[in-house]
Amino acid sequence: QLQLQESGPGLVKPSETLSLTCTVSGGSISSSSYYWGWIRQSPGKGLEWIGTIYYSGSTYYNPSLKSRVTISVDTSENQFSLKLSSVTVADTAVYYCARHDRCSGGSCSFYGMDVWGQGTTVTVSS
Amino acid sequence: QAVLTQPSSLSASPGASASLTCTLRSGINVGTYRIYWYQQKPGSPPQYLLKYKSDSDKQQGSGVPSRFSGSKDDSANAGILLISGLQSEDEADYYCMIWHSSAWVFGGGTKLTVL
Repeated sequence: QLQLQESGPGLVKPSETLSLTCTVSGGSISSSSYYWGWIRQSPGKGLEWIGTIYYSGSTYYNPSLKSRVTISVDTSENQFSLKLSSVTVADTAVYYCARHDRCSGGSCSFYGMDVWGQGTTVTVSS
Repeated sequence: QAVLTQPSSLSASPGASASLTCTLRSGINVGTYRIYWYQQKPGSPPQYLLKYKSDSDKQQGSGVPSRFSGSKDDSANAGILLISGLQSEDEADYYCMIWHSSAWVFGGGTKLTVL
């Protein structure tokens, strides 16, 4: 059974870089059938997609966050990571990693998230 | 105006049906979009329920009961999640999502109360 687990600091100072890692177990991150993404949820802004990566390293980023986001993949560790730079209090949220289906019903495309991690709370505060 | 608008709350009785709407902003045609639905209970991550574009292009999430189904109301420019035979365990927040302008976009969510 596929599981995703987020890890990283729960507290980040304003203007610093938020770094999180998602460890995938029960499946290979190198599968050609999936993408891997980050989503966050805050009381003020609801659910917000941050970005997504394919095992090859191809990335998709939310245009509203693109200038501050870097997502990378480490296939040897079966992990992918998120870096969000120049954080402010508005970046305080629960951060989730998730799997995107790539192939469905005989066709392949960039489909939505179908398996989510439990989430990790990140607070931005001095 | 938000891309996706959902009623903030909805109440329904056990055993009844609940129709949750996700209205697309004017100028965005629901017919061209695949709409995803997620259920979220307190303290848990969203869980994928289903995706619906048309009756010939839809998918139920793994293990999701058939009493959860998707459809569209073209006249209202909205996606619909229908939950039949409501159970107390269906009480949760429900979110819709689409791929729009190179981003995955979520609705604000509907809190469904079963009472």
